[in-house]
Amino acid sequence: NAGVTQTPKFRVLKTGQSMTLLCAQDMNHEYMYWYRQDPGMGLRLIHYSVGEGTTAKGEVPDGYNVSRLKKQNFLLGLESAAPSQTSVYFCASSYGTENTEAFFGQGTRLTVV
Amino acid sequence: GQSLEQPSEVTAVEGAIVQINCTYQTSGFYGLSWYQQHDGGAPTFLSYNALDGLEETGRFSSFLSRSDSYGYLLLQELQMKDSASYFCAVPQAGTALIFGKGTTLSVSS
Repeated sequence: NAGVTQTPKFRVLKTGQSMTLLCAQDMNHEYMYWYRQDPGMGLRLIHYSVGEGTTAKGEVPDGYNVSRLKKQNFLLGLESAAPSQTSVYFCASSYGTENTEAFFGQGTRLTVV
Repeated sequence: GQSLEQPSEVTAVEGAIVQINCTYQTSGFYGLSWYQQHDGGAPTFLSYNALDGLEETGRFSSFLSRSDSYGYLLLQELQMKDSASYFCAVPQAGTALIFGKGTTLSVSS
């Protein structure tokens, strides 16, 4: 099993450009999440999904949009990138939230210049 | 809302025992999880406590006290490879997994 796969692994964007980060999982998990990680800030939840066709806002959703058209994929979009969005982005998935392990992708390092 | 507090840094020497504490404030508490992250890598699951008490998995143990809104991760017989960041997390039923800011553990020889 591949687990959780994120693409791309690295990206440099200019301010104002757009991009989409793709997360794919092959474990038939219902729940999927996007987090950003900045030094000293831990993992902050951007958006999450509790099933195909559903999305919800997390702690820091501004400037991001998401879609979950297929159960195995969770896309994170930046419509107009800003330097404040320079971060490491992690996708994760799980069967649920209670007593379940969340599996993480390897991360996407995004720099906005 | 919810919040989790844990120390930002802990240092220890090889062979020692270290305890990383986590206090939480949350509505609808269901349990406390712990994750490990080596520098730049993906976080990986260590343990989950739904009930009060100590759960042991090899050199690592995790404890929960629901009445005190408190838990800790205990690492014994520390090894250099245990140098990493450790996060406590609260699973919210029907919503998502919320993490603390993490504790960086540095193990020296």
